[in-house]
Amino acid sequence: KAGVTQTPRYLIKTRGQQVTLSCSPISGHRSVSWYQQTPGQGLQFLFEYFSETQRNKGNFPGRFSGRQFSNSRSEMNVSTLELGDSALYLCASSLGGQASGGYTFGSGTRLTVV
Amino acid sequence: AQSVTQPDIHITVSEGASLELRCNYSYGATPYLFWYVQSPGQGLQLLLKYFSGDTLVQGIKGFEAEFKRSQSSFNLRKPSVHWSDAAEYFCAIASGSARQLTFGSGTQLTVLP
Repeated sequence: KAGVTQTPRYLIKTRGQQVTLSCSPISGHRSVSWYQQTPGQGLQFLFEYFSETQRNKGNFPGRFSGRQFSNSRSEMNVSTLELGDSALYLCASSLGGQASGGYTFGSGTRLTVV
Repeated sequence: AQSVTQPDIHITVSEGASLELRCNYSYGATPYLFWYVQSPGQGLQLLLKYFSGDTLVQGIKGFEAEFKRSQSSFNLRKPSVHWSDAAEYFCAIASGSARQLTFGSGTQLTVLP
């Protein structure tokens, strides 16, 4: 069974640009969550999607957005990039999204904003 | 609001020694509890999880954790550490209805030969 696939693995962007990250969950999983990991703030929840609907959102500015497609693949977008957006972005796949189902993480996308 | 505290930022142990990583949580009820491990530049790998039942949970790679309700703790242990265990370890919690994990700040483990 294939794991959670995140693309690309690495990205370098310039301040002010926008970026789109992709996450393909485990086959059959319908929930995708996104997390930001930085040395200063640690792991922080961004948002969660289930059946193409955002069900839960963390405390991030509106520059951070996402969507989920009918095949459960998800994308997150960050507009008007700031230096502080440099981070490892992790995607987690879950059957239904509840904690009891567990979460499987991808290897992440390392975003560097210069 | 729920929170997780990992009091030890960095721990160094010798190969073959025992290991205990501490995790304390704050939550009104019994949460779902997880331990994840992260190698440099990689994602998070689940070591073990506790939902209910036996308070001593066995995980992968020889790790175990014990849930102690009275102390709001979920400490991770391993009897004999291997050099390949060097990594960062994260404790996380989630409520039953929540659809997100709350993580601790992590403990970096260094293993000396």
